[in-house]
Amino acid sequence: QSVLTQPPSASGTPGQRVTISCSGSSSNIGNNAVNWYQQLPGTAPKLLIYSSNQRPSGVPDRFSGSKSGTSASLAISGLQSEDEADHYCAAWDDSLNGFVFGTGTKVTVL
Amino acid sequence: EVQLVESGGGLVQPGGSLRLSCAASGFTFDSYWMNWVRQAPGQGLEWVANIKQDGSEKYYVDSVKGRFTISRDNAKNSLYLQMNSLRAEDTAVYYCARSNWFDPWGRGTLVTVSS
Repeated sequence: QSVLTQPPSASGTPGQRVTISCSGSSSNIGNNAVNWYQQLPGTAPKLLIYSSNQRPSGVPDRFSGSKSGTSASLAISGLQSEDEADHYCAAWDDSLNGFVFGTGTKVTVL
Repeated sequence: EVQLVESGGGLVQPGGSLRLSCAASGFTFDSYWMNWVRQAPGQGLEWVANIKQDGSEKYYVDSVKGRFTISRDNAKNSLYLQMNSLRAEDTAVYYCARSNWFDPWGRGTLVTVSS
């Protein structure tokens, strides 16, 4: 039940800035923190951003998160080839009483 | 090093059962909520279930309610997912993940439901 909507793809050249949106509702993003994950091909997802805008240790500061109302965004600045991956947002949904993930965005470095 | 290792996946016929395990190490297991998340082939991530530190609260995605049961054994630092009445649409890689931040994730175990 993907109730968080993301664009299917995003792309940029090396060094550019790419932004991925995550649109939800008042029962999820509007009332709860958002996390972001990166999934490299053939591997398990990895936490990139937690509590909407916090970076775990070890995640480069090229990655940043923000939230406004019922939407959230992940920005990747200084795009690098190793950033080619699928990216997902996630949040708790108070109506569903469960976590919901976004539809996922594939980032391509041109 | 914090580590999660899933096991128990395999091929099962529709209507069958399977029990997944997740062995945790490198952290105080009984201090964290734990989750199961699945990913069907070529598809996105879907949260399946989670369980509170002491097992007193459990939540499930609607599509598995009444069929799957999440449990944990804090003495064994292990998380489980009992899956009954399996359907073709349950075919996926199943990951366990620590806490409400889902950090870290295990490498996953593949469950294939097919006749």
